[in-house]
Parts: sequence; structure tokens; C-alpha cells
Amino acid sequence: EPEVTQTPSHQVTQMGQEVILRCVPISNHLYFYWYRQILGQKVEFLVSFYNNEISEKSEIFDDQFSVERPDGSNFTLKIRSTKLEDSAMYFCASSGGQGGEQYFGPGTRLTVT
Amino acid sequence: AQSVTQLGSHVSVSEGALVLLRCNYSSSVPPYLFWYVQYPNQGLQLLLKYTTGATLVKGINGFEAEFKKSETSFHLTKPSAHMSDAAEYFCAVSPSGTYKYIFGTGTRLKVLA
Repeated sequence: EPEVTQTPSHQVTQMGQEVILRCVPISNHLYFYWYRQILGQKVEFLVSFYNNEISEKSEIFDDQFSVERPDGSNFTLKIRSTKLEDSAMYFCASSGGQGGEQYFGPGTRLTVT
Repeated sequence: AQSVTQLGSHVSVSEGALVLLRCNYSSSVPPYLFWYVQYPNQGLQLLLKYTTGATLVKGINGFEAEFKKSETSFHLTKPSAHMSDAAEYFCAVSPSGTYKYIFGTGTRLKVLA
């Protein structure tokens, strides 16, 4: 069964450093998403991406964040200068259409020290 | 703004007992509705979804949910709990015309032997 994969599973970084979280969505999906879940809190939407551009973003997704689909398979989330409050589980998801069910990856746990 | 409320952050049931996890949403226009399950150290797995049509939706692992527009609810049920159902359950809505999911805070289900 096709699945969304994410690497790394756990990333530790120092405050102020740049991190790139990687995702491989399901191959025939066209819509891609990033969410985050701070420990003990609910899953929050960050951004959606379609046709090589951001289609929607939340207020969390400020100038420190960027997304990219550098090739036909990967979808990345970059945080330029990490803060302590960026520590969270980051989930990538993909869907075949707008409003369709989103398939989630296993997540990357980001720890900022 | 749209919101999702899950009553009860922790629910305990005996093995074989009915499982009822509650979800209410705020929206004047019925959104798409989803239930996801998260097992420890894993990603979010889709249990079931409601988009249009029949209001009683059946999902995987014996779960079902009923969309009640008048009550703005989408409660998740399972007639007989199994030990393997112990996990965290998230209700999510996808508002009309958007790409994002809005998640509830989650309900951790514990199944007692």
C-alpha cells in the first residue's frame, strides 16, 4: 500500500540553526501539506502546496518557514533559524484532490536546544 | 473561525464495551469530517470520513460515525472495544473551500482488560 515517508524520524538542532525536513508523498498525489504537533497539544495546520506554489498557509507559517518540491518526489519544509518553540512533531501529508482525505507520514520529531 | 471540540481528553472502557468518542464542530456550512487514529510513535491513520451522502459512515477496524447536522456532531463509535483499540483519536474537519484540516485536541482511549 502506498504511504507517505518522512526523514529523519528525529532531528536535534541548536537554536538559530537551519533545518530541512523531508517528505516523500504518495506518488500520484497532487496536494501536499505540513502540520505540526507540539507535545501535549493538538495537530496544527502549517501550509498546503499545489501546482508548485503555496495554496494556503496558517499564521504560524511565517517568514522563517518555507516549502519546496525540489524534484518530482520530495517535498521539504525548511525552518531558517530555529527557535525553542519550534520543537514539535512535524507531519507531512498528501492527498489526491482538494478536500480529499489526507494521508499522513509518521512524522519527524524536531528538538531545538 | 472554525473549531473542533472533542469532549474528554481521556476515555477508559472495558474490553468488549461500547466505545463512544465525541466530536462537535462549529460551522454554518457542513464541512468534510474525518476521524484519525494515532498509535504510539506512529503517524495519523484515517479511520473514516464523511463528505456527502449517507450520514452513517463505516470505517476500518469496526468503527463508525454518524454525521448529525442539527447537532453539529460527528461522534465515533465501536460496539465492542478491543485491547488493540488503545490509541489517540483525532476528529478533524476540512472547511468548505479550503485545503487544511482543523483538528480537535484528541481523545486518548484506554481499554481495560
